[in-house]
Amino acid sequence: QVQLVQSGAEVKKPESSVKVSCKASGGTFGSYSISWVRQAPGQGLEWMGRITPMIGLAQYAHKFQGRVTITADRSTSTAYMELSSLRSEDTAIYYCARDTPYGGNSLVVFYYMDVWGKGTTVTVSS
Amino acid sequence: QSVLTQPPSVSGAPGQRVTISCTGSSSNIGAGYDVHWYQQLPGTAPNLLIYQNTNRPSGVPDRFSASKSGTSASLAISGLQAEDEATYYCQSYDTSLSGSVFGGGTKLTVL
Repeated sequence: QVQLVQSGAEVKKPESSVKVSCKASGGTFGSYSISWVRQAPGQGLEWMGRITPMIGLAQYAHKFQGRVTITADRSTSTAYMELSSLRSEDTAIYYCARDTPYGGNSLVVFYYMDVWGKGTTVTVSS
Repeated sequence: QSVLTQPPSVSGAPGQRVTISCTGSSSNIGAGYDVHWYQQLPGTAPNLLIYQNTNRPSGVPDRFSASKSGTSASLAISGLQAEDEATYYCQSYDTSLSGSVFGGGTKLTVL
């Protein structure tokens, strides 16, 4: 049974960066993708991007391209999400989730998120 | 503004049946992409409730069902229980955005 354990809460200054980790236990880390989803206070879920550790491919939501970097270390079964140029609107809970693929083609793979981490609170404040 | 549109709130009495809609467009649900549903209990991470339009993961009661038609999908909860009080999110793929998209969430209140 896969479990995702995320790093602890962070408090950051505007214009700085934050790097959140997500360590997987159980299962074979390289055999699935990991998505990052954030939730601002009182708001809904927002997909940020995903990494497929097996091939080292990262995909990003258009909104975050250029500001987010998602990586994975297969040797430690850990995925990372780094968000730069932080602003107050980035204050949110950041979740990692296991992506299970279910179809697609050579250009795109479709996923649903079936295992979630407990979330990491990131507060951006001067 | 979420790509998928859900009503902000619904409510029902214990034992009743409620439905939650999720409306998309020709670049997501209308293009034939599957819809998944998540339940988020207060103060916790989301949990997968329905995947690929109609399928329940093991452990999800059959009181939860879902369907998809055209550019919309819907989640139905029958025999409403107090423990169902949560926020529900739909999710699909959007070809214009080349990625996963969520609805804005629907808060279910059990009266």
